[in-house]
Amino acid sequence: AQSVTQLGSHVSVSEGALVLLRCNYSSSVPPYLFWYVQYPNQGLQLLLKYTTGATLVKGINGFEAEFKKSETSFHLTKPSAHMSDAAEYFCAVSAGRSGGYQKVTFGTGTKLQVIP
Amino acid sequence: EAQVTQNPRYLITVTGKKLTVTCSQNMNHEYMSWYRQDPGLGLRQIYYSMNVEVTDKGDVPEGYKVSRKEKRNFPLILESPSPNQTSLYFCASLGQGAHGYTFGSGTRLTVV
Repeated sequence: AQSVTQLGSHVSVSEGALVLLRCNYSSSVPPYLFWYVQYPNQGLQLLLKYTTGATLVKGINGFEAEFKKSETSFHLTKPSAHMSDAAEYFCAVSAGRSGGYQKVTFGTGTKLQVIP
Repeated sequence: EAQVTQNPRYLITVTGKKLTVTCSQNMNHEYMSWYRQDPGLGLRQIYYSMNVEVTDKGDVPEGYKVSRKEKRNFPLILESPSPNQTSLYFCASLGQGAHGYTFGSGTRLTVV
């Protein structure tokens, strides 16, 4: 069984401030972890993913996330928020395994508001 | 361009009137899935398909049907829609390896 908890359904930051969106996961096997972004009236777009190897992963638009096994966390950060970052962000987990397809479980999402 | 195409984008229908939401992908992906998105609940999986003629229930399959007669297409069928199926629906496909889903643009369904 696997699950994802995103802390905070709404987060507001000032333009230029640090963005921190929190995600904790539960998985009985080593996980694959993902962050997706959803802009208004659009589908979800993959921001970044962790599968194996380096625990700090970099994604598009200056975002990065760090896999911390001991804390079962995969928080998303960006040093300086832009107005264009305003969107909803989803953390997701799947069971990591070579080959085959594993179910992806999504968190409930965090809406990021960027204040000018 | 690699993409997942859903139609229609918006649909308003009446209770009990059968409808189909189409989904097509051009990436030769074997795995496809349907999700519904509701405020505060995130994305919940309705059905998925591992390959042609292979489909299985997700977390919230009640009231929905799917078929996978060809690799590229994965339609979602609501035989008798009800108001509690008013939602935003996404089709997604997944290729081999952990590359993450490619999502369609969504279908906003309202059942009155």
